[in-house]
Amino acid sequence: EVQLLESGGGLVQPGGSLRLSCAASGFTFSLYVMSWVRQAPGKGLEWVSTISGTDPSTNHADSVKGRFTISRDNSRNTLYLQMNGLTADDTAVYFCVVGGGGKGDYWGQGTLVTVSS
Amino acid sequence: QSALTQPASVSGSPGQSITVSCTGTNSDVGAYDYVSWYQQHPGKAPQLMIYDVNTRPSGVSNRFSGSKSGNTASLTISGLQAEDEADYYCSSYTTSSTWVFGGGTNLTVL
Repeated sequence: EVQLLESGGGLVQPGGSLRLSCAASGFTFSLYVMSWVRQAPGKGLEWVSTISGTDPSTNHADSVKGRFTISRDNSRNTLYLQMNGLTADDTAVYFCVVGGGGKGDYWGQGTLVTVSS
Repeated sequence: QSALTQPASVSGSPGQSITVSCTGTNSDVGAYDYVSWYQQHPGKAPQLMIYDVNTRPSGVSNRFSGSKSGNTASLTISGLQAEDEADYYCSSYTTSSTWVFGGGTNLTVL
C-alpha cells in the first residue's frame, strides 16, 4: 500500500523559511516522478514543483520559482520542499504527490503552512 | 500559466448523469492527451479518477468517464450516487512542461 506522510508545516512569519518532508513507502520511490501541489484555504489546487526519479531534473511553478526548491533523497525514500521568502500567498495545505506531468496517482493527506505575523 | 476553466457548480439527482467541462488552450488541454480528473471530498486529499483523458485507474467505478474535443475536456458521471457529491478538478500537462489545474467544480447530488 502506498503511503505518503508529509511533515514540516506550521506557522511562519512573512519572509521566513520552512522545509517540508514527505516520507514515502509501499512503492519503489526512486523510480517515480514526485510533485508538490498546494491548496489555499477554500481555494483550488495549484501545482508547485516536480522532480524526476533519478536525474533528478526539477521544475517549479512561476509563482514559487527562485524561492522554493524541490529535492529528494532516494536512499531515505523522502521528498523535500525547501521554501524561502514565504508570503501570505503561500498559505496552503501542501500535498505530496506520486506522479507529475498532469497525473497524480497518489496523494498524501497534506501539511498546513500558515504564513502570518 | 492560467488555470483551466471549469463551471463552479453542477448538480443532479440520484441516478442521473452529469457532465463537467474543462476548457483550456492549445498549450495545455489541446496539446496533449494528458488530461486528468480528481475527486476531493471535504477535508480529504484529492483522488485520481481519470487520466490520459479517458483511462480509469484500478478501483474507480465505471460510472466515471472522460473525453476530449479540441481544447475542452469533459468528465461524465452516470448513475449519480450520494457519495459522488464532492469537488472535481481537471488538470493537464502543458507545453511549458508544467502542470495546470482547473478552478474546481462542486457537485451537488440533490
